[in-house]
Amino acid sequence: AQRVTQPEKLLSVFKGAPVELKCNYSYSGSPELFWYVQYSRQRLQLLLRHISRESIKGFTADLNKGETSFHLKKPFAQEEDSAMYYCALKDTGRRALTFGSGTRLQVQP
Amino acid sequence: NAGVTQTPKFQVLKTGQSMTLQCAQDMNHNSMYWYRQDPGMGLRLIYYSASEGTTDKGEVPNGYNVSRLNKREFSLRLESAAPSQTSVYFCATQGWQETQYFGPGTRLLVL
Repeated sequence: AQRVTQPEKLLSVFKGAPVELKCNYSYSGSPELFWYVQYSRQRLQLLLRHISRESIKGFTADLNKGETSFHLKKPFAQEEDSAMYYCALKDTGRRALTFGSGTRLQVQP
Repeated sequence: NAGVTQTPKFQVLKTGQSMTLQCAQDMNHNSMYWYRQDPGMGLRLIYYSASEGTTDKGEVPNGYNVSRLNKREFSLRLESAAPSQTSVYFCATQGWQETQYFGPGTRLLVL
């Protein structure tokens, strides 16, 4: 069965520090992975998808098939990055997403 | 465009009571989903609908039923609520490049 693991419930950093939110997955096929973000009092929304190889709001994520990881990184954290971040894996069978348990990022001034 | 809307925003039920959570979308998307969000567990799929008139079970379907009456609306029903169903419920649609669009959520408390 496919699975997404986010080992950190809370990550606290200071403004300007680098950020890495960890995500590991288990999946037998070719994975499609996403990062979703939920800011305070806002809806859950897509941050980025690995297939697009894009950088959104300074965040990037590289798929490492050897380590089965899709860590989210930003070189310099901003206070407005404080939010709940979810890693998600596409479930091709159900055409749905399997989510990790989420990591709360706190960026302190 | 409202996107994905959910009603109610908050509900308190007693054990054994029934209720229906409503979800509507104006994005013309075929696929719709119901998730529940619990602390430390992320979002778990309850039911989904690939298109109008079809529904399928997700990861945690027990205690729930769904109806996809038309393309816009996908409702989730709790026939006999239990405290274990206390959660935040999210409806979502799926659009271009598999992107999911979420509603604001319904916070349910079962006493």
